[in-house]
Amino acid sequence: SQQGEEDPQALSIQEGENATMNCSYKTSINNLQWYRQNSGRGLVHLILIRSNEREKHSGRLRVTLDTSKKSSSLLITASRAADTASYFCATQGGSEKLVFGKGTKLTVNP
Amino acid sequence: DGGITQSPKYLFRKEGQNVTLSCEQNLNHDAMYWYRQDPGQGLRLIYYSQIVNDFQKGDIAEGYSVSREKKESFPLTVTSAQKNPTAFYLCASSIAAGVSETQYFGPGTRLLVL
Repeated sequence: SQQGEEDPQALSIQEGENATMNCSYKTSINNLQWYRQNSGRGLVHLILIRSNEREKHSGRLRVTLDTSKKSSSLLITASRAADTASYFCATQGGSEKLVFGKGTKLTVNP
Repeated sequence: DGGITQSPKYLFRKEGQNVTLSCEQNLNHDAMYWYRQDPGQGLRLIYYSQIVNDFQKGDIAEGYSVSREKKESFPLTVTSAQKNPTAFYLCASSIAAGVSETQYFGPGTRLLVL
């Protein structure tokens, strides 16, 4: 069963704008991870946030986690055309298995 | 270069035929995974292996089989019992099969039914 659910399903913005994607999940987690997938390619790991963390940064990426609301957000600042991709959240509970959401398709227009 | 390779990039299957997708990694990772991705969907876990000669079923194992005879190799066979095999198949690996482990993905194999 899929636990993470991203919102919105699709997002179109102009270069230079910020992009925010949200992920909601249903059960308690150990960590939440964000991955990026360019069209027709494999996934690339972006960032991992543990359940006892509230915010993490990596370059132009900012991830927040609110365990009380069972939600996470991924913010990409000053977006570029090269950021065009699908973004997936994946949750990990007590086992080694990752459970992926359906993804947000981001289009950054030049 | 270190990484995960999958072959072929495209694979065609005839009715009633078994086909095998290759996945090789030179990252010295213990754990390996197979996922299926349908259009507009997330990834669903087919099988995973925590160590050589051991593997477990994921959420959608029916119609698939795997082997893990070598640490670096985790081939997936799509059997004729899988009635809807058309999908994008992704292989991944992680250092170990534990919590908080990042997974590294291969480029994928697209399977099409003739």
